[in-house]
Amino acid sequence: DIQMTQSPSSLSASVGDRVTITCRASQSISSYLNWYQQKPGKAPKLLIYAASSLQSGVPSRFSGSGSGTDFTLTISSLQPEDFATYYCQQSYSTPNPSFGGGTKVEIK
Amino acid sequence: QLQLQESGPGLVKPSETLSLTCTVSGGSISSSSYYWGWIRQPPGKGLEWIGSIYYSGSTYYNPSLKSRVTISVDTSKNQFSLKLSSVTAADTAVYYCARHSYCTNGVCLDYWGQGTLVTVSS
Repeated sequence: DIQMTQSPSSLSASVGDRVTITCRASQSISSYLNWYQQKPGKAPKLLIYAASSLQSGVPSRFSGSGSGTDFTLTISSLQPEDFATYYCQQSYSTPNPSFGGGTKVEIK
Repeated sequence: QLQLQESGPGLVKPSETLSLTCTVSGGSISSSSYYWGWIRQPPGKGLEWIGSIYYSGSTYYNPSLKSRVTISVDTSKNQFSLKLSSVTAADTAVYYCARHSYCTNGVCLDYWGQGTLVTVSS
């Protein structure tokens, strides 16, 4: 099984900050990596697929990068509506799409 | 706009079978482009993929749950269903249904239901 590890598990940031979240795979997954945003009491929302492609309707302040085992989700200027938990998901071992443990972005 | 809606009992007794249905509206579950599946999230914890199904009936399950999971599809009702047997308190979670699409590289989950909390308790 491919294990996905996110860091940090939580972070505090202020509106306007640049935020970076890391996801590491236990083996190379090329660019088979997706990112989701989940707000309390809501279903996850797809933000980025194939490591760096922005899902339709997602603000351009979100970006993704990486390949192989190391990936990054960046929010260029944190907005109030971005406070949420973010999950990475590998799609390499389709159809068993495992998730990272999540990163909670909180208000500083 | 595609919508998915989970339904089923919110309380299940230990050792019994959890049964949920996902109704798809605004699109056909028989589309050849998608799989349909289930993900769960224990309270305060992360996401766990349970399994998925193609409209033809082909299924894929998380190996850790495979012995207890059955996913089926009813194309006439535009629905798919989850059965999880021999449940314990560890199966208490919010259960989501989601559309699995091919997103350039592998599967992404691009449409989700709102989720339904299932509690396992006597």
